[in-house]
Amino acid sequence: AQSVTQLDSQVPVFEEAPVELRCNYSSSVSVYLFWYVQYPNQGLQLLLKYLSGSTLVKSINGFEAEFNKSQTSFHLRKPSVHISDTAEYFCAVMRIQGAQKLVFGQGTRLTINP
Amino acid sequence: DVKVTQSSRYLVKRTGEKVFLECVQDMDHENMFWYRQDPGLGLRLIYFSYDVKMKEKGDIPEGYSVSREKKERFSLILESASTNQTSMYLCASRYIGTRETQYFGPGTRLLVL
Repeated sequence: AQSVTQLDSQVPVFEEAPVELRCNYSSSVSVYLFWYVQYPNQGLQLLLKYLSGSTLVKSINGFEAEFNKSQTSFHLRKPSVHISDTAEYFCAVMRIQGAQKLVFGQGTRLTINP
Repeated sequence: DVKVTQSSRYLVKRTGEKVFLECVQDMDHENMFWYRQDPGLGLRLIYFSYDVKMKEKGDIPEGYSVSREKKERFSLILESASTNQTSMYLCASRYIGTRETQYFGPGTRLLVL
């Protein structure tokens, strides 16, 4: 079975500061990795994903995440956050072979203060 | 753009009532999913459906059932609602050819009194 741990339930930061949201996973088989974002009163949207190839993946709005196989981590970073980044962020994994279900972490609420 | 819609954004029901949550997708996706979202627990899979009339239990199916009579519609049924089913319910769909990408609806916030 797979499991995902998001180490921080809430992260408050000031606008234009850098941020890192941490995600660690556990799996005995190879997995795809994802970050989803949920803006207030909305459903989840895919932010970025790692399937294969370069371990650094980037989103169109300045976020990036790096897959680290040895540390089983997929931390999300942004060098300078904006008020509009206020949201809840979910890390998730899915087995590459077999059951094609997403397994989510507990979520991290990112709050940006002016 | 893929669109996944859910019949209600907010719903208030009484204990013991039968509750139907409807989800519709407009992209002819084979796979559909129901999750519940609770603070501190993230999203947990209740049921999923690979195709019409096919269903499989997720991680927390107890107290729920589902129906998929048409490809575009996936219904979640609470046979006898209980207060511990108060939650946010999210539906998602996925094209089998790009199984790594799920599209989510806006969610239904259910309160059971």
